[in-house]
Amino acid sequence: SYVLTQPPSVSVAPGETARISCGGDNLATKSVHWYHQRPGQAPVAVIYYDTDRPSGIPERFSGSNSGNTATLTISRVEAGDEGDYYCQVWLFSSDQPVFGGGTQLTVL
Amino acid sequence: EVQLVESGGGLVQPGGSLRLSCAASGFTFSNNAVNWVRQAPGTGLEWVSGISGSGRSTYYAGSVEGRFTISRDNSKNTLYLEMNSLRAEDTAVYYCANGGVAGTPFDHWGPGTLVTVSS
Repeated sequence: SYVLTQPPSVSVAPGETARISCGGDNLATKSVHWYHQRPGQAPVAVIYYDTDRPSGIPERFSGSNSGNTATLTISRVEAGDEGDYYCQVWLFSSDQPVFGGGTQLTVL
Repeated sequence: EVQLVESGGGLVQPGGSLRLSCAASGFTFSNNAVNWVRQAPGTGLEWVSGISGSGRSTYYAGSVEGRFTISRDNSKNTLYLEMNSLRAEDTAVYYCANGGVAGTPFDHWGPGTLVTVSS
C-alpha cells in the first residue's frame, strides 16, 4: 500500500516560516492536498492540487511538490496556525484516498 | 454556504449496528461525490468510504469492506453510512466530506459525530 510520511511535529516562532513535508514514492506524479485541523474541530483544506489555495485561505500558505516530497509552507506564522496538518493523495490504482499521518504545528 | 451536518453517533456494543446520516446544503448535492472519514481518539484521519454523485459507484477502505454500506438519497440531500459488526477499533469521530473522489480534494467537512463501540 502507498504510504505518505510526515514529521510528527514542527515548531516555529511567531513571524517565522514553517515548512511541513510529506514524503511518498514518486509523489510528484500525484496531486497533493493539505488540510489543517485545530483541536476539537473538523479539518479545513488549505492547499489543493499541490499549489492552489482555496477561497479564504491567506496567501501565507503555499505548497510545492517535487520528486518524492511535497511541502506545505506557512510564512509569517501566527498563533492561529497551530494544529495538525495532513497531506492527502488519491490512488488511482485502488480507487481510494490516502492521508499522511499528520504533523502537529506548535507556535512557540 | 456549504453545510454538512452528521448525526446518528452514539454508544454501541461490539457486534452491534449503527446508521449515520449527513445532511447537506448549500451546493448541488447530486453533482458531488461525498465521503466518510473517521478519526480515532488521538490519531490521524482515516478515509472510510465514498460514493459518486449518482450513487452508482461506491468505494470502501479494506478495514470496513463487507461491514459498512454507504448510500445516498439525492432527493433528501442526505448521505448515509450503515455500520454492522462494529468493533472497538471502529470507535472514532466520523466526518462527512464532499469531493475526495478521483483525485479531487475534500472541499468541505461536517463537524463530525462520535461513535463509541464498547461493552
